[in-house]
Amino acid sequence: DAGVTQSPTHLIKTRGQQVTLRCSPISGHKSVSWYQQVLGQGPQFIFQYYEKEERGRGNFPDRFSARQFPNYSSELNVNALLLGDSALYLCASSPTGTAKNTEAFFGQGTRLTVV
Amino acid sequence: GDSVTQMEGPVTLSEEAFLTINCTYTATGYPSLFWYVQYPGEGLQLLLKATKADDKGSNKGFEATYRKETTSFHLEKGSVQVSDSAVYFCALTGANNLFFGTGTRLTVIP
Repeated sequence: DAGVTQSPTHLIKTRGQQVTLRCSPISGHKSVSWYQQVLGQGPQFIFQYYEKEERGRGNFPDRFSARQFPNYSSELNVNALLLGDSALYLCASSPTGTAKNTEAFFGQGTRLTVV
Repeated sequence: GDSVTQMEGPVTLSEEAFLTINCTYTATGYPSLFWYVQYPGEGLQLLLKATKADDKGSNKGFEATYRKETTSFHLEKGSVQVSDSAVYFCALTGANNLFFGTGTRLTVIP
């Protein structure tokens, strides 16, 4: 079975540009979450979507947005990129919308570099 | 708010040495606790978990016990291998997400 797949794997953007990252969850999983991992830090929660609805949002500016499609895949959009947005963006899928007692499966991540 | 405090690294050990990575947490309610591992250039993999107090999670020789009285979930392994070199993250569940510690980089030398 395929795991969580993310695309692209690497991306270089210029300050002020916009970027879209994509995630396909494990088949049968209905929840997708996005995390930002800055170099040398632990992942920070950005969004959770379950059954195409936003269920949770972390402490990120409105430049960050996301959506989930009917096939449960998801996109993360970041507008007006800043140098500080350079990070590894991780997508995690899980079968349910609650975190407790539920294992989250992570993709390999998209490495975004803003120059 | 909920948070995880993790032992700072990096940690360098010789092969077959004993490993302890400390993790303490602050949480409302009764979270589940996890250890994730990140190998170079990869995403996170679940190493082990515990869902209630006094539970012991174990996998691949690693163990951690959910201690409610000390709010801790320390990771241990009796004999590390070179292949265990990675970054280890302690995490707890919030309502909809995971809260991660800052990670501990482990390097095992032959």
